[in-house]
Amino acid sequence: GDSVTQMEGPVTLSEEAFLTINCTYTATGYPSLFWYVQYPGEGLQLLLKATKADDKGSNKGFEATYRKETTSFHLEKGSVQVSDSAVYFCALRGGYANAGKSTFGDGTTLTVKP
Amino acid sequence: GAGVSQSPSNKVTEKGKDVELRCDPISGHTALYWYRQRLGQGLEFLIYFQGNSAPDKSGLPSDRFSAERTGESVSTLTIQRTQQEDSAVYLCASSSTSGANTGELFFGEGSRLTVL
Repeated sequence: GDSVTQMEGPVTLSEEAFLTINCTYTATGYPSLFWYVQYPGEGLQLLLKATKADDKGSNKGFEATYRKETTSFHLEKGSVQVSDSAVYFCALRGGYANAGKSTFGDGTTLTVKP
Repeated sequence: GAGVSQSPSNKVTEKGKDVELRCDPISGHTALYWYRQRLGQGLEFLIYFQGNSAPDKSGLPSDRFSAERTGESVSTLTIQRTQQEDSAVYLCASSSTSGANTGELFFGEGSRLTVL
């Protein structure tokens, strides 16, 4: 079945540092890929997405590129802020063979210190 | 409503009691998911409804857990004879696409269950 593997956390960075959170996946067909974010005390929300190979999703300074050759969708940000402290989840949504079911990684907790 | 609505937002119960959690998806969303999130942990898939298809119950941890959905509307997750390890936040999400590759999940705020 489909699976998503995320870089283990927690990750602690200083403000303005460069962020990478690795995500690789296993899926049949051509899934869509997502990053969701859960800020402290808030619900999960979509951060960015990419629906086909080589697409780049971006939002709030975060970027991720759908790499089919390496089955990866790594999340990056050039300069993190304290307000980026949150839990980040990589996810995929399977195509027709998977009836559109979504699969999530285990989440990576990011703490940004001033 | 504008978003996914879950109730109750908080539930404290005694071990052995039954609980029902409710999810109101966004109108028109054909897909509905239940997840469990224990404190500091990731999302644990429980069950997935897609339109009129048979639900994917592969994530339900035991026969004490069940869920129903009427058509494309409200869903209820029932936990019978609750145990302390059932304590968690139960998240509901819905999605508008059916059988396609794209489909953002919209999450509710969750129902926090505490079993004493």
